[in-house]
Amino acid sequence: DTGVSQNPRHKITKRGQNVTFRCDPISEHNRLYWYRQTLGQGPEFLTYFQNEAQLEKSRLLSDRFSAERPKGSFSTLEIQRTEQGDSAMYLCASSSGLAGAISYNEQFFGPGTRLTVL
Amino acid sequence: EDKVVQSPLSLVVHEGDTVTLNCSYEVTNFRSLLWYKQEKKAPTFLFMLTSSGIEKKSGRLSSILDKKELSSILNITATQTGDSAIYLCAVGTGANNLFFGTGTRLTVIP
Repeated sequence: DTGVSQNPRHKITKRGQNVTFRCDPISEHNRLYWYRQTLGQGPEFLTYFQNEAQLEKSRLLSDRFSAERPKGSFSTLEIQRTEQGDSAMYLCASSSGLAGAISYNEQFFGPGTRLTVL
Repeated sequence: EDKVVQSPLSLVVHEGDTVTLNCSYEVTNFRSLLWYKQEKKAPTFLFMLTSSGIEKKSGRLSSILDKKELSSILNITATQTGDSAIYLCAVGTGANNLFFGTGTRLTVIP
């Protein structure tokens, strides 16, 4: 399977615990994005990486959230001291600029990690 | 503030019907408009549109962008139950991320 993969697919945790999600992008894609989707809404942008550099962070990304992409391949998203409001689907997407800058917009999504905070 | 509005919010049709889904946007530095299909999982890429008036087609699905009207439509002909999903419209801007609408939930009844 050469698509975007995410682990775990589901995570149930208690309020106050830390959680970490992993995303493996399509191998030749140098951009990686994290989005969050809640019920009845479209995905909302959180942050993105070009190779290992984190280039943009949304206002939605509070201090409890941190993302890394240490070797420019897979990425992790950690949420510290989880709150019930963090319950959502966390989506990862990747894209490539090989066909020109506009092709970065053509983002391919992974299956998501559904987080439930009790 | 960037805005993407989709209509209708939901739609129920019978197999074989043709449907038209709408997306309008108000964003700074527009670069592209994308359509995704989302079932009980992650969004699946359908189309990316950058030029006004040029239709993109894939099987029974087609889409066109109107930059003058700041809108796009997604047409599905001869609908099948497998077309039941949420269809998401997203706009790509110079900010390097996609800005999504809330989606149109399509239900196709046998």
